[in-house]
Amino acid sequence: RKEVEQDPGPFNVPEGATVAFNCTYSNSASQSFFWYRQDCRKEPKLLMSVYSSGNEDGRFTAQLNRASQYISLLIRDSKLSDSATYLCVGYFSGSARQLTFGSGTQLTVLP
Amino acid sequence: GAGVSQSPSNKVTEKGKDVELRCDPISGHTALYWYRQRLGQGLEFLIYFQGNSAPDKSGLPSDRFSAERTGESVSTLTIQRTQQEDSAVYLCASSLGGGPSYEQYFGPGTRLTVT
Repeated sequence: RKEVEQDPGPFNVPEGATVAFNCTYSNSASQSFFWYRQDCRKEPKLLMSVYSSGNEDGRFTAQLNRASQYISLLIRDSKLSDSATYLCVGYFSGSARQLTFGSGTQLTVLP
Repeated sequence: GAGVSQSPSNKVTEKGKDVELRCDPISGHTALYWYRQRLGQGLEFLIYFQGNSAPDKSGLPSDRFSAERTGESVSTLTIQRTQQEDSAVYLCASSLGGGPSYEQYFGPGTRLTVT
């Protein structure tokens, strides 16, 4: 079983819609989580960190539920420019200081 | 400022040949990572360098893969006797320090195709 699992999608939503992605992790010795964004044929870029208390950055809200071992990303009022693959990323203690990436969830925002 | 750069951007090679991929990290970044991303997949960790510490090679898939880093600058990833399953995008990332407190900045990657 992969340490970080995501629904690959694709999610096709109309502009202005609200969309949510979930990600589950299997290693309870988790320390930190992140969402990265990867545009087609481009490198990943950090979107936001995920805190237990939940955190918001503009239209983006990230949540971490340690009891159920899942992370979520909510995008409100989606824009065409939000179309990308969203990678759930975990840093687990004992993983020698490297990040574990999920396979990504593909989002397409339609006009 | 300049970001992480990688070269070549694309490499096509015949099965059995050796290839060398280069990464120039952001100046001042002590940590450097190599990842592999197969088509439609997430990133697989390969190797991690931090300052003068011994590199963490735990992600290297076989002894055909090796990497070096000169001080806190350029790194090269070498794949010997390439196989078709080595076809992937190889991404390099650097960060100011090691661990999750430091954002990793990725280069554009090298797309390797083994024919």
